[in-house]
This record gives sequence, structure tokens and C-alpha cells, in this order.
Amino acid sequence: KNQVEQSPQSLIILEGKNCTLQCNYTVSPFSNLRWYKQDTGRGPVSLTIMTFSENTKSNGRYTATLDADTKQSSLHITASQLSDSASYICVVRGGNAGNMLTFGGGTRLMVKP
Amino acid sequence: NAGVTQTPKFRVLKTGQSMTLLCAQDMNHEYMYWYRQDPGMGLRLIHYSVGEGTTAKGEVPDGYNVSRLKKQNFLLGLESAAPSQTSVYFCASSFWQGRNYGYTFGSGTRLTVV
Repeated sequence: KNQVEQSPQSLIILEGKNCTLQCNYTVSPFSNLRWYKQDTGRGPVSLTIMTFSENTKSNGRYTATLDADTKQSSLHITASQLSDSASYICVVRGGNAGNMLTFGGGTRLMVKP
Repeated sequence: NAGVTQTPKFRVLKTGQSMTLLCAQDMNHEYMYWYRQDPGMGLRLIHYSVGEGTTAKGEVPDGYNVSRLKKQNFLLGLESAAPSQTSVYFCASSFWQGRNYGYTFGSGTRLTVV
């Protein structure tokens, strides 16, 4: 069964600190992986997309990594800001059905002043 | 450019009542989706559509029906609401360009069935 597991489920950090969120997946065959940010009461918004051949991709203070061999991805947030408080969702596209997405349960990040 | 608009934003239903959630997109996307999001779980696909007049079942279709009579609209219906359908519902649309895709999500509908 295609699964995406994220850790930790929730995280509290102080403003200005860095943090790393983890995503492990079993989706096969693999097509690509996206990290989404979901603010409370809003729909998810894409941060990065990574394909099989990409190891690292940055978007401002967000840096995503992908290890397709171990089927792991991480999202590193640098110099956190209060506005980073949100849920971060790892989404993997692939599987035998082809183009369907499998969503992780998300990591709820709270940045405190 | 509104993107994906969902109505209503909130709704409370009694068990057994019916309702329709409306999703509208103005990006001329071919693909549209309905997901539900429950605490601690990832978004799960209910139904989807690959074009006007087409619908297909997703991961958790039971208890829901959909229609895509117009390209820009995707309707999700609950014929007889049950408490297990209490959830936040998200509509999304996407274009399809090989391995590069872009999903745009609506802001969600919070449904409570009592």
C-alpha cells in the first residue's frame, strides 16, 4: 500500500531557530514529491517539487532534500518566522495507478516569539 | 483571478440531510478533485474528474456523489449525511503537463454532521 509518513506530528520552536521536518514514503513507482504549506483554515500551497534526479531544492528559507534510494525527504526551514506557523504536508505522486497523489498526515509547526 | 473557490465555507447538517458542495475554478484546468481532511490523517481523495462530463472514484467514495457538467465546476453531493462525514473538504484543480503538475486548492469547507 502506498503510504507517506511524516514526523514529527507537531513541533514548537522559537522564532529565528531552524528546524527539519521528515517524510518517509513507500509509494512505488515514484514520480515526484512536493512539500505543501497549509495555513490554518486554508488550502495547501506548494513550496517545492522534487523529481527522482533532484537531491536538493531551495525556495527562500525552505530547503527540501530527497533521497530516492531510502525513500526519504526532508524540509529544512532556516531562521524561522512567526508566519511559518502552519502545517507542512509531504505529497508523493506515483504508484501503480500512475498519477494519483498520496498525502502525508502533516507536521504542525508552531513558531513562538 | 480567483483560482479555486469553494462554497459554502461552513455547514452544519443533521444526520440524514443532504447537501451539495460547490467548487469553481477559473484557470481552465482539465482535472478537478475532492478531498477530505481529517485530524492526523492526510488528505484522502473522494472523487475526481479528468474533464467535463467525466467522474471517477477515489480512495474513499462511499456516501458521496459528484458531477462535472461544466468544465469550471465540480459538485460534491452528500445524499444522506452521517456523522462519519464530519470533516474538512478541499477541492483542487490541476493542469497536466507530463511530470510537471500544479495543484491549486480551495480554502476548504468545514462540515459538521450532528
